[in-house]
Amino acid sequence: GNSVTQMEGPVTLSEEAFLTINCTYTATGYPSLFWYVQYPGEGLQLLLKATKADDKGSNKGFEATYRKETTSFHLEKGSVQVSDSAVYFCALSDPNAGGTSYGKLTFGQGTILTVHP
Amino acid sequence: DTAVSQTPKYLVTQMGNDKSIKCEQNLGHDTMYWYKQDSKKFLKIMFSYNNKELIINETVPNRFSPKSPDKAHLNLHINSLELGDSAVYFCASSQFGRDGEQFFGPGTRLTVL
Repeated sequence: GNSVTQMEGPVTLSEEAFLTINCTYTATGYPSLFWYVQYPGEGLQLLLKATKADDKGSNKGFEATYRKETTSFHLEKGSVQVSDSAVYFCALSDPNAGGTSYGKLTFGQGTILTVHP
Repeated sequence: DTAVSQTPKYLVTQMGNDKSIKCEQNLGHDTMYWYKQDSKKFLKIMFSYNNKELIINETVPNRFSPKSPDKAHLNLHINSLELGDSAVYFCASSQFGRDGEQFFGPGTRLTVL
């Protein structure tokens, strides 16, 4: 079955540091890949996505590239801010999944990021 | 305009009680979901409805019963609440056949005493 593995957290950084959160996946088909962000006390919001190999998703200074050869979708940001403190989830959706798996998002375990001033 | 809304935002209740959480989306989507998030932030899908029909039903106790009166609403009723049901419950919606992007509600924090 499909699965997503994210780097263990929590991650603590100083403002303006470089961020990488690793994400690898296992899927039988050609999934779409997502990063969602959950700010404290809120629901999940889509941060960025990529739907095919070599696509780069980007938003708010974050970016991730869909690497089929390494089955990875690592999240990066060049200079984090205190306001980036949140939980980050990597997820996949397999458009070729049938039956009860159609449309299902498979999430990683989430990575808590704390950015200090 | 709120895209996916849930009520209530907080719910505190005693063990053994029955409670409901409501969800509404105004995005015109045809698929809705319920997720449970535990204290370690792990997110687990519980149910999914497409055009008011159940399509995903993960291993969830039958004390949990979803109900979709129309495409814009998906409610969750929980009977005989237990301590282990304490969690944050998220509703989400999507359009079937697109790339899988889902839109989430703000969550309902359920505390069972």
